[in-house]
Amino acid sequence: RKEVEQDPGPFNVPEGATVAFNCTYSNSASQSFFWYRQDCRKEPKLLMSVYSSGNEDGRFTAQLNRASQYISLLIRDSKLSDSATYLCVVSPWNAGKSTFGDGTTLTVKP
Amino acid sequence: NAGVTQTPKFQVLKTGQSMTLQCAQDMNHEYMSWYRQDPGMGLRLIHYSVGAGITDQGEVPNGYNVSRSTTEDFPLRLLSAAPSQTSVYFCASRTPGQDGGYTFGSGTRLTVV
Repeated sequence: RKEVEQDPGPFNVPEGATVAFNCTYSNSASQSFFWYRQDCRKEPKLLMSVYSSGNEDGRFTAQLNRASQYISLLIRDSKLSDSATYLCVVSPWNAGKSTFGDGTTLTVKP
Repeated sequence: NAGVTQTPKFQVLKTGQSMTLQCAQDMNHEYMSWYRQDPGMGLRLIHYSVGAGITDQGEVPNGYNVSRSTTEDFPLRLLSAAPSQTSVYFCASRTPGQDGGYTFGSGTRLTVV
């Protein structure tokens, strides 16, 4: 079993739709959680950290469920510019080794 | 503020050649890592460092060496290039803790023929 697993995708949604991605992790010692966005042939860029209490940044909401060991990303009112691959990242506390999920591809269509 | 700088951006090597991919960051980040990403695949950790003088292996370390003599620099050395090492290589740095998301360099696209 992979240490971090994501919905396989791809997700194809119309503009304005709400879409949610899940990511499960196997290491219960994991303490830091992030969502990244990667555009085709570009470097990943930090989208948001994920906190235990959940956090929101505009149209994006991230949730953490420690008991079930998963994190989620909700995108509301999808835009064409949201089309990208979304990666979840899990890190042990204060350890340099972070594990990336394989990513979920989102395509938002007019 | 340059962030994470990787050089070169593109490289073609012949099988058996060696080379060093350079990575430098100017954010005083303690942690640095090297990842490779094959077409249509996720990121796989090659080596990482939690501070100057400290390095450790990741998921796919074979064929690569690293060193961390300063906080700023974390070069990745390919010992004897093989076609299986054709990939995009990303260097990244971060600070410890929950707010310490990685900042990535723009990548080195390596082809081994």
